[in-house]
Amino acid sequence: SAVISQKPSRDICQRGTSLTIQCQVDSQVTMMFWYRQQPGQSLTLIATANQGSEATYESGFVIDKFPISRPNLTFSTLTVSNMSPEDSSIYLCSVEDDTSPTYEQYFGPGTRLTVT
Amino acid sequence: QKEVEQDPGPLSVPEGAIVSLNCTYSNSAFQYFMWYRQYSRKGPELLMYTYSSGNKEDGRFTAQVDKSSKYISLFIRDSQPSDSATYLCAMSEGFQKLVFGTGTRLLVSP
Repeated sequence: SAVISQKPSRDICQRGTSLTIQCQVDSQVTMMFWYRQQPGQSLTLIATANQGSEATYESGFVIDKFPISRPNLTFSTLTVSNMSPEDSSIYLCSVEDDTSPTYEQYFGPGTRLTVT
Repeated sequence: QKEVEQDPGPLSVPEGAIVSLNCTYSNSAFQYFMWYRQYSRKGPELLMYTYSSGNKEDGRFTAQVDKSSKYISLFIRDSQPSDSATYLCAMSEGFQKLVFGTGTRLLVSP
């Protein structure tokens, strides 16, 4: 399976600021995904990032709040903009295994964000 | 009603016990079913992946899917303290969009 790294692993930010989270994969993948994991809640898909096209956002998530870049087949960024305490969460990127006939998803270690 | 329901636990068992973890779902279009294990402060790790109904076994782990009842299970035999983690069920209609349960926290005591 792919090895996925995320930066930063954690951060404490002030409300009103923005944070960009990086996701790096050790192999080329077509599909990358960004999830949010809030305390006591299930992982929720924010958006799907396909290289060379605009990200596709799920209901309840908008590009102005969570802009995503996907410049190549091994890298993506998620920005959390104009943060509020409600954005405190773990943000995870995942990739779909292009080499598997069933396209399993594998996750990075996550970025733990606290907004004060 | 959530699409996927999962008891958050915690589920506490002694070492060597058989563990049963379960999820129910409401969307009959789900065809792909997964179990992820997540250790504290780590990302989810794919444990089991099944398509449609039936059983799948991998070492001490067995995944069962009953689509008629909209019910999936993960069994862990001879549980070990190292199995202590949160177990997340996930499912999808096809590729890409996974819908997760909230996770069940498992504690295996020596």
